[in-house]
Amino acid sequence: EPEVTQTPSHQVTQMGQEVILRCVPISNHLYFYWYRQILGQKVEFLVSFYNNEISEKSEIFDDQFSVERPDGSNFTLKIRSTKLEDSAMYFCASSATSVTGELFFGEGSRLTVL
Amino acid sequence: QKEVEQNSGPLSVPEGAIASLNCTYSDRGSQSFFWYRQYSGKSPELIMSIYSNGDKEDGRFTAQLNKASQYVSLLIRDSQPSDSATYLCAVNPPGRRALTFGSGTRLQVQP
Repeated sequence: EPEVTQTPSHQVTQMGQEVILRCVPISNHLYFYWYRQILGQKVEFLVSFYNNEISEKSEIFDDQFSVERPDGSNFTLKIRSTKLEDSAMYFCASSATSVTGELFFGEGSRLTVL
Repeated sequence: QKEVEQNSGPLSVPEGAIASLNCTYSDRGSQSFFWYRQYSGKSPELIMSIYSNGDKEDGRFTAQLNKASQYVSLLIRDSQPSDSATYLCAVNPPGRRALTFGSGTRLQVQP
């Protein structure tokens, strides 16, 4: 069964360092998302991406965040200068259609900022 | 602030019983509603979507939507211990790609 894959599964970094989280969406999907979940809290939307551009972003997705689809398969989230409060599980998701809520999530990348 | 509210639980039911999970939302214009299941330490997994008032059944799961009351529910019949998880209600506000998630209801099915 096709799945969304994410790497790394866990990354520990020092505050102020740059982090890149990688995702390979399901191959025929066209819509890509990043969500995050701070431990014990709600799943929160960060950004959606379609046709090689950001289609929507949340207030969380400020200038320290960026997304990129560098080739035909990978979808990356970059955090330029990590803060302690960026510690969370980051989920990549993809969707085949414009039905925006029917998402397939990856297993997540746990980011720990020290 | 558009919100999705759920009782955090835990909701404890015996094996074989019906589990009833509820969710309310504040944006009256919302049109799309989803239930995701999240096992501890895992990612959300879509269980049900519902777009029209009324009931939608899929196997042991029934989603119910009442837009006038801004209320969505999920019924799980013949609950199994493997159903023990956190159930997330998610709403798609009108004109937006983002999903707004509730904080989830933790369900415990006792063998």
